[in-house]
Amino acid sequence: QKEVEQDPGPLSVPEGAIVSLNCTYSNSAFQYFMWYRQYSRKGPELLMYTYSSGNKEDGRFTAQVDKSSKYISLFIRDSQPSDSATYLCAIPSNTGKLIFGQGTTLQVKP
Amino acid sequence: DVKVTQSSRYLVKRTGEKVFLECVQDMDHENMFWYRQDPGLGLRLIYFSYDVKMKEKGDIPEGYSVSREKKERFSLILESASTNQTSMYLCASSPLAGVKMETQYFGPGTRLLVL
Repeated sequence: QKEVEQDPGPLSVPEGAIVSLNCTYSNSAFQYFMWYRQYSRKGPELLMYTYSSGNKEDGRFTAQVDKSSKYISLFIRDSQPSDSATYLCAIPSNTGKLIFGQGTTLQVKP
Repeated sequence: DVKVTQSSRYLVKRTGEKVFLECVQDMDHENMFWYRQDPGLGLRLIYFSYDVKMKEKGDIPEGYSVSREKKERFSLILESASTNQTSMYLCASSPLAGVKMETQYFGPGTRLLVL
């Protein structure tokens, strides 16, 4: 079993839709959770991070962690064509390395 | 702003060639990383370095080596390129070795094709 699993999609939604992107993880000791966004032909960049359980909101983006289920989510409200990208969840391991999910490719159609 | 630059955006090499991929960061970061990214497999760590002249193997080091002679520069070397090393290569850097919440800053990537 991979330490972090993410459905690669692709996911296609109409503009204005609510998008839900999800990852599961196996190690209950993980405490920090990150979401990176990668536009086509670019490197990933950090979008949001959360610590432990709960929600964190930043504009149209909400990151949610459910430690009891080992499940993390990224919600995008009022999605825009400019949100079209690959979204990667990432979790720091206890060795300082980041463990990445496979990435979900999202397309928001006008 | 943190800037991570990679020497080439696209490279085409032949099987058996020695290939050098260069990465430079301008924010005095201690940590530097090399990943490859393949469809369906996500980002996989090849090598990383916590300090000058120091290197650690990642998850898939076979067929690769690295060099870090200066803090700002981290080089990935393919000693004898093979077709299965055709991939997108991403370099990243981060500050403060050992801090759990360190953010990694990525370069734009080098798309390598080995014929």
